[in-house]
Amino acid sequence: DAGVIQSPRHEVTEMGQEVTLRCKPISGHDYLFWYRQTMMRGLELLIYFNNNVPIDDSGMPEDRFSAKMPNASFSTLKIQPSEPRDSAVYFCASSTGVAVGGVTYEQYFGPGTRLTVT
Amino acid sequence: GEDVEQSLFLSVREGDSSVINCTYTDSSSTYLYWYKQEPGAGLQLLTYIFSNMDMKQDQRLTVLLNKKDKHLSLRIADTQTGDSAIYFCALVGNTGKLIFGQGTTLQVKP
Repeated sequence: DAGVIQSPRHEVTEMGQEVTLRCKPISGHDYLFWYRQTMMRGLELLIYFNNNVPIDDSGMPEDRFSAKMPNASFSTLKIQPSEPRDSAVYFCASSTGVAVGGVTYEQYFGPGTRLTVT
Repeated sequence: GEDVEQSLFLSVREGDSSVINCTYTDSSSTYLYWYKQEPGAGLQLLTYIFSNMDMKQDQRLTVLLNKKDKHLSLRIADTQTGDSAIYFCALVGNTGKLIFGQGTTLQVKP
């Protein structure tokens, strides 16, 4: 398997523009996670899906952020309108489960998308 | 809510042992994890420990868990330049999501 695939790897955009980040999870993984990494705040979970359904979106910063998973092999994270403070590395990860009930599952991370908003 | 704290930076000489520390507030996590992030890459699971264990050894890696003090550590023996990376500890929050520390940057000097 190619692992978790994210595109684009780098995105530079101007404030106010719409940005769409894409993720293809590992085939067979039912869970998909979106994280944001910044120097100031570290690694934050934005949202995660199970079987294409959003389970926990409490980390989504504000209404400018939205995430969708139209099918098991594709997810998008959209920022509209973008702001300079959205500049960060955005990671997508996938797994076959979450560590509930005494069983653990590894999360596999993609290489990330480095977003710069000027 | 859960809080996971790590020191931000550690510098060691090649061949020495490295010890990366982590403290946390929520002790209900069944598993505690160490992830490694190399430059320009995503995180990769390094090792994990079940909460009813005190120690786990995996080749050069030793994980120690002190539940009383809510302290987790990762020891890397014979540290190599290839070990230079950011190391994150993480625990399981409610709904099964991972809560990560800020990450410790390990610098290995030749």
